[in-house]
Amino acid sequence: EIVLTQSPGTLSLSPGERATLSCRASQSVSSSYLAWYQQKPGQAPRLLIYGASSRATGIPDRFSGSGSGTDFTLTISRLEPEDFAVYYCQQYGSSPPLFTFGPGTKVDIK
Amino acid sequence: QITLKESGPTLVKPTQTLTLTCTFSGFSLSTSGVGVGWIRQPPGKALEWLALIYWNDDKRYSPSLKSRLTITKDTSKNQVVLTMTNMDPVDTATYYCAHFQRYYDFWSGYYYNWFDPWGQGTLVTVSS
Repeated sequence: EIVLTQSPGTLSLSPGERATLSCRASQSVSSSYLAWYQQKPGQAPRLLIYGASSRATGIPDRFSGSGSGTDFTLTISRLEPEDFAVYYCQQYGSSPPLFTFGPGTKVDIK
Repeated sequence: QITLKESGPTLVKPTQTLTLTCTFSGFSLSTSGVGVGWIRQPPGKALEWLALIYWNDDKRYSPSLKSRLTITKDTSKNQVVLTMTNMDPVDTATYYCAHFQRYYDFWSGYYYNWFDPWGQGTLVTVSS
């Protein structure tokens, strides 16, 4: 089973700052199968990035994803007030369980 | 526009069976590459994938819950049903269904997949 670890657990930043979120896999993950989701309190998760670096439809270009193998990064170039939320990485693999999520990184206002 | 909505009981007793229905619109579950997944989230905790049903009726389950889960689809009704047997208080969570897309990119030669969009979720509490 592939385990995803996200760091930091909480990131305290101010609007306008750059956020860098890390997702590390316990074994190599195909980049095409690595996604990032944003979840705000009381809401369902929303797809931000798929294929490690492709933005989903309607996602602002301040969100970008990168990485390969076991290390992936979500970057928010300039935090907007609506970006303070929890972010989850997720991978798909051929061995069970098919889908695993990381524990999440909370981005909150400093 | 794709929408999904979960429905089912908000409270179940321990040992009972939970039945949740996902009713969707904006896509057909008979289209190649499409699926519907179930994901849950205990209060204040992370997301956990439960099950997925593909357009071709192929079904996949989380190994840790496989013995308790059944996922089925009714294409004509645009519904997917998840049943979970022998409910326990640790199963208290918000249960989400989500549209699953598998996509082949001819340029790169790679397959991609993702869950998008998700339903609003339904909170299920397990308590006597």
